[in-house]
Amino acid sequence: NAGVTQTPKFQVLKTGQSMTLQCAQDMNHEYMSWYRQDPGMGLRLIHYSVGAGITDQGEVPNGYNVSRSTTEDFPLRLLSAAPSQTSVYFCASSNHRGPTTDTQYFGPGTRLTVL
Amino acid sequence: GIQVEQSPPDLILQEGANSTLRCNFSDSVNNLQWFHQNPWGQLINLFYIPSGTKQNGRLSATTVATERYSLLYISSSQTTDSGVYFCAVNSGGSNYKLTFGKGTLLTVNP
Repeated sequence: NAGVTQTPKFQVLKTGQSMTLQCAQDMNHEYMSWYRQDPGMGLRLIHYSVGAGITDQGEVPNGYNVSRSTTEDFPLRLLSAAPSQTSVYFCASSNHRGPTTDTQYFGPGTRLTVL
Repeated sequence: GIQVEQSPPDLILQEGANSTLRCNFSDSVNNLQWFHQNPWGQLINLFYIPSGTKQNGRLSATTVATERYSLLYISSSQTTDSGVYFCAVNSGGSNYKLTFGKGTLLTVNP
């Protein structure tokens, strides 16, 4: 099992550009989520999904879109990047009962810089 | 929303020393987890511990839900224990949202 994979590992964008951060898991997990981690901060939940076709907002959803067309993939889209979105982004997955009752597995992260 | 406070923010130890990390939370929760983020950024779940005590090797954790705190004990620390330790609790009664503390940065020197 590859676990949770994320691409790219690093990305530099200019303000106003759009891009998609990719996340995939091969554990057949129903729950997937995106977090951002800023210096000196814990992780903050952006969006999450409890299954294909079902997504919901987390703590900091503004400026980000998600969709979930398959169990395996959960891409995160930045429609118009802003410097405030410079951060490290983590994708995570867990079993269907969600991260509060099941172990959550994290991807290696994507380091995004917006100039 | 729920507040999660971790202390100390930074901790420096010599190899072999013991340490206690604390997590306070502002509201009742039915879930609490401890995570370790290694110096390369990888996050690993250490404990799922809504109440009681658990042990895993040199690490153990205790959560006293009625008093809204949890403790993570690291005994005989090793350099590989270095990194950031986060606690996270479920937010707003949801089973799908975790709120993380800001973490404790642990440095273990040889």
